[in-house]
Order: sequence, then structure tokens, then C-alpha cells
Amino acid sequence: GAVVSQHPSWVICKSGTSVKIECRSLDFQATTMFWYRQFPKQSLMLMATSNEGSKATYEQGVEKDKFLINHASLTLSTLTVTSAHPEDSSFYICSAFTLHTEAFFGQGTRLTVV
Amino acid sequence: QQQVKQSPQSLIVQKGGISIINCAYENTAFDYFPWYQQFPGKGPALLIAIRPDVSEKKEGRFTISFNKSAKQFSLHIMDSQPGDSATYFCAASKKTSYDKVIFGPGTSLSVIP
Repeated sequence: GAVVSQHPSWVICKSGTSVKIECRSLDFQATTMFWYRQFPKQSLMLMATSNEGSKATYEQGVEKDKFLINHASLTLSTLTVTSAHPEDSSFYICSAFTLHTEAFFGQGTRLTVV
Repeated sequence: QQQVKQSPQSLIVQKGGISIINCAYENTAFDYFPWYQQFPGKGPALLIAIRPDVSEKKEGRFTISFNKSAKQFSLHIMDSQPGDSATYFCAASKKTSYDKVIFGPGTSLSVIP
């Protein structure tokens, strides 16, 4: 099946620093990717829609200046958490639809801000 | 965003039994209803999905039943195994427009020997 890959799988950073998470579609092109955040024992909450070649669309309540999204190519979207704080610690997951219009998810990135 | 409701929140089933998880949606524009299985520390994996033009879809031990008029759908796991113990999420999307996938709150399934 289609594969969506995230890197890194986990990251620990100091408070105030920035962290970049990559999301790649390995065997298909994705003009649209989605970024989700998941807190422990909770569901996935959509943060933003990443569009290739244009600005991302953020969900209500998500700070676009804190969570920078860049969709530079048809196979790569990046999420940068700027000036990270402990409350940003979470599990970040990306997703993309394939040409067969099935939605696949990456393996997730565990961010811990200390 | 809470447009998809899911129950129960947790479920304990004996090995060999049937696990049933129910979901309901509000937005009639949804036309894609996937189910995802998630293990701790992993991303959600697509299990099975259905479109509203069919009332049932079966893949191995997993079956989705869909009731368009009631705006409800359910997942049945036959012959449940301990390896099925995971969190299951129902979801909905407007597939035809590659729209975002909205998740239900999840069901934690434990299959006991």
C-alpha cells in the first residue's frame, strides 16, 4: 500500500527552540497533506491543511505563526514548531490522500519539549 | 470539529468474540468513512473504508455496516484476537474533494484470552 513517512520519529528539544518535522509521500504525489496533533489517550485533531505551492489553511485556534507549514513539492510537507514550549509536547501526525483517494497516515513524530 | 461521534469509549472482549464499535456523523456531505487502528506510539493505520453507496463491506474478519438514512456506521471484528487490542477510530471525509479526515474520539479495545 501507499506509504507516508515522517521524520524524525521522536525529538526532544529545549524550550524556546524550533523543531522541523518532515512528511513525505514515498510512492505517490500528494498535492494536499494534512497535519494532526494527538495528545495522550485522545483523538487526532486536525491542525492544518498543507497545499503544494500555496499557503497552508489552519484550523480555528491553531497559531499559524507557531506552526509553520511548507509544502515545497508534491512529495514533501514540513511542519516547524517555532519557539517550542512544554505545552507543545505532543504526537504530530501527517496524512495524505493517494490517487485512489484513500487517506494514509504517517507513523507520527513524538515531540517532547523540556 | 466534533462531527463524528463514537461509542463505546472502551471495550473488553474475550478472545474469539465479536467486537462492535458504533459511530454516527452529522454532515451529509461526507462520502468516505474509513476506520483506523492505532497502536501506542504509532500512527493510525487504515483498516477498512466504505462509501455510502453500499450498506456493508467485509475484509477478512472486519466488516463495516453502513446506514445512510440514520447517518450511522459500525465496525464489527469477528473472532477477536489479543493482537486486535488497540485504539480504533472511525472517521469521515469528503473523499471526492480530497478533504480533511475528521476523526471520532476513539475506542480502546482490549481482547482478553
